[in-house]
Amino acid sequence: DGGITQSPKYLFRKEGQNVTLSCEQNLNHDAMYWYRQDPGQGLRLIYYSQIVNDFQKGDIAEGYSVSREKKESFPLTVTSAQKNPTAFYLCASSTTGEPHHTEAFFGQGTRLTVV
Amino acid sequence: QQQVKQSPQSLIVQKGGISIINCAYENTAFDYFPWYQQFPGKGPALLIAIRPDVSEKKEGRFTISFNKSAKQFSLHIMDSQPGDSATYFCAATYENSGNTPLVFGKGTRLSVIA
Repeated sequence: DGGITQSPKYLFRKEGQNVTLSCEQNLNHDAMYWYRQDPGQGLRLIYYSQIVNDFQKGDIAEGYSVSREKKESFPLTVTSAQKNPTAFYLCASSTTGEPHHTEAFFGQGTRLTVV
Repeated sequence: QQQVKQSPQSLIVQKGGISIINCAYENTAFDYFPWYQQFPGKGPALLIAIRPDVSEKKEGRFTISFNKSAKQFSLHIMDSQPGDSATYFCAATYENSGNTPLVFGKGTRLSVIA
């Protein structure tokens, strides 16, 4: 089945640790995105990548880092600089075609908790 | 930062009733307006989307109404069912500019009660 796979589903981080969230897609999509979801805050964009080896900061990039070495993969690292990392993290991907079509497909999310 | 403002934050509707969620946007360059549905613990999934060349789009019990002059669009769920209980997000983007990220509203938590 084509889709987006996020792992792990649940992740616990100790204070001061870096953790990496995995996102893999087999939809052959060019663009990938990371969003953070907090109650009552909607989905806020952390980073996005429109092509391999290139990525741009979103609205809340501080304390996060990403890489895009392969089209299929877009891992997110939550660094110790992120002061309030407890949240639900969502990865998405999209493509454009004819007619222009920008549907974003989401993974099932990773819930990160600081302990 | 372009914003999409969504209301209400939460909504309780009787089974069989109509659920209405409203969104307003600021940037007139937006040209694609999707709605996403999210169940607890899951990722959002595309429900229905509209482009500004039409004023209404209907898919089954779900209808988007679009008012370009007012920069507003709304989701109507007819004959609401308990299975529709979920969080709904409106969004906007510049579709003709390629893979531009979606800008999301803050979400509406819908509860349909029997």
